[in-house]
Amino acid sequence: DAGITQSPRYKITETGRQVTLMCHQTWSHSYMFWYRQDLGHGLRLIYYSAAADITDKGEVSDGYVVSRSKTENFPLTLESATRSQTSVYFCASSVDPRVAAQHFGDGTRLSIL
Amino acid sequence: ILNVEQSPQSLHVQEGDSTNFTCSFPSSNFYALHWYRWETAKSPEALFVMTLNGDEKKKGRISATLNTKEGYSYLYIKGSQPEDSATYLCALSNAGGTSYGKLTFGQGTILTVHP
Repeated sequence: DAGITQSPRYKITETGRQVTLMCHQTWSHSYMFWYRQDLGHGLRLIYYSAAADITDKGEVSDGYVVSRSKTENFPLTLESATRSQTSVYFCASSVDPRVAAQHFGDGTRLSIL
Repeated sequence: ILNVEQSPQSLHVQEGDSTNFTCSFPSSNFYALHWYRWETAKSPEALFVMTLNGDEKKKGRISATLNTKEGYSYLYIKGSQPEDSATYLCALSNAGGTSYGKLTFGQGTILTVHP
């Protein structure tokens, strides 16, 4: 029972590079989310997706791109990484986020030098 | 963007103490209130999802209540143990429209239980 997995767990890259964080879930949940953890801000929503091919921006979407061609995958791409995007990124999924809990992956710690 | 406030920001208690903390939110547009437990270096883990005014939920020594009319939820921990040390997050799911399904998280209450 893999649940929800994120890869890589750790990533170091340089400013200006493109980097993609992967998220895969085995529950067939319709809803998937990307958050970043920032000191003083808690968890902030970057993007979310209600189903395959349906995505919407969150609170801090600038500089990020997502796609969802298959229900189980929700990759997050930083088009041109900046130091301010250094953070821990969490992916989550839910069957119905209004009334059911979100299940979180283990996170990806991203450092941009 | 909804405003979800948690208090206190941090709390230190002794093992065996009971404790509680608060999540406040705007009562209009409410749909569901989530509580999560987040240990250091781990991912958030769901505790409760509550939707009805007056809802009370319990999981072991942890319980939560919900008052949607006045816009608050309390989380209680009875007989705190060192393993309860974590950040406790609440999050609000609003009624719908373009924000359907989005959760707005509070900044969390950091609980430290001293042996």
